Order: sequence, then C-alpha cells, then structure tokens
Amino acid sequence: KAGVTQTPRYLIKTRGQQVTLSCSPISGHRSVSWYQQTPGQGLQFLFEYFSETQRNKGNFPGRFSGRQFSNSRSEMNVSTLELGDSALYLCASSLESAIYEQYFGPGTRLTVT
Amino acid sequence: SQKIEQNSEALNIQEGKTATLTCNYTNYSPAYLQWYRQDPGRGPVFLLLIRENEKEKRKERLKVTFDTTLKQSLFHITASQPADSATYLCALDPNAGNMLTFGGGTRLMVKP
Repeated sequence: KAGVTQTPRYLIKTRGQQVTLSCSPISGHRSVSWYQQTPGQGLQFLFEYFSETQRNKGNFPGRFSGRQFSNSRSEMNVSTLELGDSALYLCASSLESAIYEQYFGPGTRLTVT
Repeated sequence: SQKIEQNSEALNIQEGKTATLTCNYTNYSPAYLQWYRQDPGRGPVFLLLIRENEKEKRKERLKVTFDTTLKQSLFHITASQPADSATYLCALDPNAGNMLTFGGGTRLMVKP
C-alpha cells in the first residue's frame, strides 16, 4: 500500500504570495490532518478533515485554510505569506476519527523569503 | 496552561543499553497517548499507542508505560542499536479527534 504523498516537496515563495500544498492519503483513509513543524514551536496542529468537512482547527490565523475532496485528497492554502510561515508542513492520514494512529507524509519544506 | 514536556536535552547511550525517555503532561486528561519516531527531514513514524486503561504496552524491543496519576508516560528501547538514533515524540489527542498535540521531542543518540 502506498504511503501518504505530499507535493511539492520543496517550495520557495516570496513574502506576500500565496501557496497551495497537496496531500494524498493512504488508500482507504478518510481523515487527513495537517501540521506545521518549526524549530522554535515544534509540531503544531493546523486542521483536520474528514469526509470533506473540517472537524477540528488549531490556533492559526485565517490565512491558513484547507479543503478535502471526495477522494480524501486534501489541500492546504496559505495566503499573504509571512517570513514566519517558513516551516515543514506535514500531512497525516488515518482510518477514522479518534484513537487511531496517524501516518505522516514526508512533508513540504516551505521557505518564505 | 496545558503542556506536554519531554527532555529537550539529547540522550546519549551506549549500544546494547536500555534507553528511557520521559513524557510529562499537565492539564490534560487524555484517553490515549502515542509515541512517534522522527528522522531528520522526514515525517514522524507511528510506534505505539497506549490507552488510559492500559498500564503497559510492548512491541518488539519497545515498551511504553502510561501513569494517569503521575500524568507521565515512559518509553523504553531495550538492547538499543545505533539505528535507533532519532528524535522521539510523544503526542496526545485532547479531544480524541485526530488533532494530536506533540511534545518537543527527545533526541536519542546510540553510540556503537
């Protein structure tokens, strides 16, 4: 079974631009969560989607948004990029909600200059 | 405030010894706790999940304990190998809804 895939793997953007990251979960997994990882703040939860609905959201500004498609693939978007948005963005999928391990993708390394 | 704390200092041990990593949490009442391994530049990899009604869980050379009274989980790797060198993260889900809150991780270095 193929793992979680994320595209692109690396991205360089300029402050003020917007970016869209993509995540394809493991086949059969319906829950997709997004996380931001930085050296200073560690791994932080962004949001979680299940059956095309956002069920949980972390403490991030509205510039961070996402969506999930009917095939469970998910995208996240960051508008008006700031230097502090430079991070590793990780997507994780799991079978259902609650008490299931999450399977992480390799991440997208975003650098904002 | 809510916190999940892991020893931020690297843990250096000799090959063959048992590594013990600690995860302490405050102001949470998690139904379960998870442990992940992360190698540089890669996403975390799930290792073990332990529920609040389980005191201990094992998987091969790994053992996790969960003490809800002490609000602490211990993660043990027995007969450690250099290949076990990585950062180990504990995580809990405050609302049991796939929104994991992670500790800062502990870097383990196993020397041959």
